[in-house]
Amino acid sequence: DAGITQSPRHKVTETGTPVTLRCHQTENHRYMYWYRQDPGHGLRLIHYSYGVKDTDKGEVSDGYSVSRSKTEDFLLTLESATSSQTSVYFCAISEWGELAGLSSYNEQFFGPGTRLTVL
Amino acid sequence: GNSVTQMEGPVTLSEEAFLTINCTYTATGYPSLFWYVQYPGEGLQLLLKATKADDKGSNKGFEATYRKETTSFHLEKGSVQVSDSAVYFCALRMNRDDKIIFGKGTRLHILP
Repeated sequence: DAGITQSPRHKVTETGTPVTLRCHQTENHRYMYWYRQDPGHGLRLIHYSYGVKDTDKGEVSDGYSVSRSKTEDFLLTLESATSSQTSVYFCAISEWGELAGLSSYNEQFFGPGTRLTVL
Repeated sequence: GNSVTQMEGPVTLSEEAFLTINCTYTATGYPSLFWYVQYPGEGLQLLLKATKADDKGSNKGFEATYRKETTSFHLEKGSVQVSDSAVYFCALRMNRDDKIIFGKGTRLHILP
């Protein structure tokens, strides 16, 4: 299994409070992603990173910010949580390239998820 | 834009039945195609993939063939087990793109 951990695994918070979710990898992959999963919507990309301090928005980035100061850590912050941000959040990592001989290339590995409830 | 469409679930089958989950894609070019599986309470994990036309991906008794002429990548298994109950996601990635595009997922229930 790819070395990806997420913390916390479960969190309950109140509307208006800041929340930070952490994704940590031990694979040294360049690309890291944050998704949210909701019934009827499948997986939706929030933000992703293609290197230290290099990030870009996904399709549902409003209300979220990210930071990546080290290769192994990718943080997702909800500055002021709202009930619509109640969801399961998944981190993923990838290493895209032409080195097809490496089995870990050209696929995406997912963390175990964080269930966030905003009351 | 590029997209993936997969059959809506839930799909309910009896153990040992034949499974097909349909997946079609729209892409400007020739993507790599993936099937991911999500077991209850877990993250997604890669089930199989194919990187060019006519390639067949296979794993754990599941198969899918990359059909360029029909832009499809249907998932099949000859005899399902209760342990196959999960959500299955079809996905694509364009060469040199940073992102994977996922379908909405198909929930599969297998009855003993």
